[in-house]
Amino acid sequence: GIQVEQSPPDLILQEGANSTLRCNFSDSVNNLQWFHQNPWGQLINLFYIPSGTKQNGRLSATTVATERYSLLYISSSQTTDSGVYFCAVPIKTGANNLFFGTGTRLTVIP
Amino acid sequence: DAGVIQSPRHEVTEMGQEVTLRCKPISGHDYLFWYRQTMMRGLELLIYFNNNVPIDDSGMPEDRFSAKMPNASFSTLKIQPSEPRDSAVYFCASSFAPQGNSPLHFGNGTRLTVT
Repeated sequence: GIQVEQSPPDLILQEGANSTLRCNFSDSVNNLQWFHQNPWGQLINLFYIPSGTKQNGRLSATTVATERYSLLYISSSQTTDSGVYFCAVPIKTGANNLFFGTGTRLTVIP
Repeated sequence: DAGVIQSPRHEVTEMGQEVTLRCKPISGHDYLFWYRQTMMRGLELLIYFNNNVPIDDSGMPEDRFSAKMPNASFSTLKIQPSEPRDSAVYFCASSFAPQGNSPLHFGNGTRLTVT
């Protein structure tokens, strides 16, 4: 099955710093999503981004499907950005169910 | 929109008891998914429905687990009998488009503890 690798596994930032999270996947995909799981356990969909670049406030994401990776950029980080960031891709082309990576745990220190 | 609604938020039960988790998907979403999250295994898909019909239940751990979707606005995940190893956070999620080509939205989850 498809493999999803996220890096780094853990990241500690000072408030105000910028960061880049990476997601590599083993097969071509037509759908990639980024999620944030906050310290209370809620899973929030950040981006649906099969290709190209999208921006939402301080967050942006870029997927280069041909090279099988996606990047999540967090600028001017805030303590509320803390949590785990997951990327997820379909288990196979056209599948309706997603396979989740192991996540990047981000801690933003005031 | 109220989002995906799950109940209860927390459930503590004794081994051997029946547990029923509930989910109301976002109105208009034709796909409903049940996931389980543990420290050891991360997020795992248990089963998903399209238009109330179970499509793939290959992730259901064993016969003790069952899921139903009697209508477009309600689904249940039942564990009978429950075991301590079932302790986890169970998430329900929904999406509106086929082929996975739409954002997936999660409920707040049910934290299950089986003692």
